Amino acid sequence: ELKVEQNPLFLSMQEGKNYTIYCNYSTTSDRLYWYRQDPGKSLESLFVLLSNGAVKQEGRLMASLDTKARLSTLHITAAVHDLSATYFCAVDMVGNNNDMRFGAGTRLTVKP
Amino acid sequence: EPEVTQTPSHQVTQMGQEVILRCVPISNHLYFYWYRQILGQKVEFLVSFYNNEISEKSEIFDDQFSVERPDGSNFTLKIRSTKLEDSAMYFCASSRTRQGLGNYGYTFGSGTRLTVV
Repeated sequence: ELKVEQNPLFLSMQEGKNYTIYCNYSTTSDRLYWYRQDPGKSLESLFVLLSNGAVKQEGRLMASLDTKARLSTLHITAAVHDLSATYFCAVDMVGNNNDMRFGAGTRLTVKP
Repeated sequence: EPEVTQTPSHQVTQMGQEVILRCVPISNHLYFYWYRQILGQKVEFLVSFYNNEISEKSEIFDDQFSVERPDGSNFTLKIRSTKLEDSAMYFCASSRTRQGLGNYGYTFGSGTRLTVV
């Protein structure tokens, strides 16, 4: 069974600092997603990573995928308060018809 | 920007009652999904649906659950006899392609908060 593990689960950081969230998964997959969720809200798609070595950047967020290591990272550069949210990674199982499994989420709080 | 629309936003029901959660996916999307999120926990896959049939379902999606696309625009999730542990936020999602064939992700609706009392 596909397992998706994120760490850390909770992250409190100061504005202006950098940090990385890690997402490990247990079986072969080459499709990985990052979502943002604000409290009580839906899931906002941030990145879709489709191949080994894929790197995507949007503003202060950069995501990468290493399919050999079964690892994705979400790097935050010079954090600002508006980035406070819960970030989920999710992985599609190869060969399945769209059966996406989520990590537990990383609750990020950026303090002034 | 196209949206996935879910109704109602909040539903309170008594244990043992049937509920139907409704979703209108994005019009040119072909794949439809239901996920749930128990408060403060991770998002869990329930079921995927393509070409008018279930293509994948999780162990959570037992005989109490069913999905339907009754009229070509709505996509519904029915829980026949609700239990307390069914209380959760239920998200509908749709996608344009089977994942991996292009750079498309899923679009999620805003969710229905189901409270079973």
